[in-house]
Amino acid sequence: KNQVEQSPQSLIILEGKNCTLQCNYTVSPFSNLRWYKQDTGRGPVSLTIMTFSENTKSNGRYTATLDADTKQSSLHITASQLSDSASYICVVSGGGSNYKLTFGKGTLLTVNP
Amino acid sequence: GAVVSQHPSRVICKSGTSVKIECRSLDFQATTMFWYRQFPKQSLMLMATSNEGSKATYEQGVEKDKFLINHASLTLSTLTVTSAHPEDSSFYICSARDIPGQGHYEQYFGPGTRLTVT
Repeated sequence: KNQVEQSPQSLIILEGKNCTLQCNYTVSPFSNLRWYKQDTGRGPVSLTIMTFSENTKSNGRYTATLDADTKQSSLHITASQLSDSASYICVVSGGGSNYKLTFGKGTLLTVNP
Repeated sequence: GAVVSQHPSRVICKSGTSVKIECRSLDFQATTMFWYRQFPKQSLMLMATSNEGSKATYEQGVEKDKFLINHASLTLSTLTVTSAHPEDSSFYICSARDIPGQGHYEQYFGPGTRLTVT
C-alpha cells in the first residue's frame, strides 16, 4: 500500500531558528516528491518538486532533500519567520499511469516570537 | 504562476439541501481537475478525478450520486453535494493539473471551500 509518513506531527520553534521536517514514503513506482505549505483554512501551495535524480532543491529559505534509495525526504527551513507557521505536507506522485498523489498527514509548524 | 480559484470560500446550508462548489483555472487550461476533502488535522483525501468532457472517476467509498461532478469546460469543474448532511461538513479543495515542460504534472490547488451543514 502506498503510504507517506511525516514526522514530527507538530513542532514549535522560536522565530529565527532553523528546523527540519522528515518524510518517509513507500510509493511505487515513484515519479516525484513534493513539499507543500498549507496555511490554516487555505489550499496547499507548492514549495518544491523533486524527481528521482534530484538530491536537493531550494526555494528561498526552504531546502528539500531526497534520498530515493532509502525513500526519505526532508524539508529544512532556515531563519524561520512567524509567517512560516503552517502545515507542511509531503506528497509523492506515482509513476507511469499512476499519476495520483499520496499525501502525508503533514507537520504542523508553529513559529513563536 | 498558475492560479486556481474556488467559489464560494465558505457556505452554510441546511441538512437536506444541495450545494454547488465551483473550481476554475484562471490562467491555464486544465483537462484534468481533482476534488479533495480534508477533515481537521487530516491529510487531503482524493474524492474524484474530473476529466473535461467525460464522466468523473470516483475513489472507492465516495458516492457518485451524492457528489456530482461536472467538468464542462477546460477551465471549470463543479462539485455538487446533494442532500447534504452534517457529516458532509468538511473542507473541500480542488486542484487543476498543468502539463509543464519538465515532464511531470504539476497540480495547482484552489484555496478551498469550507462547507458547514446544519
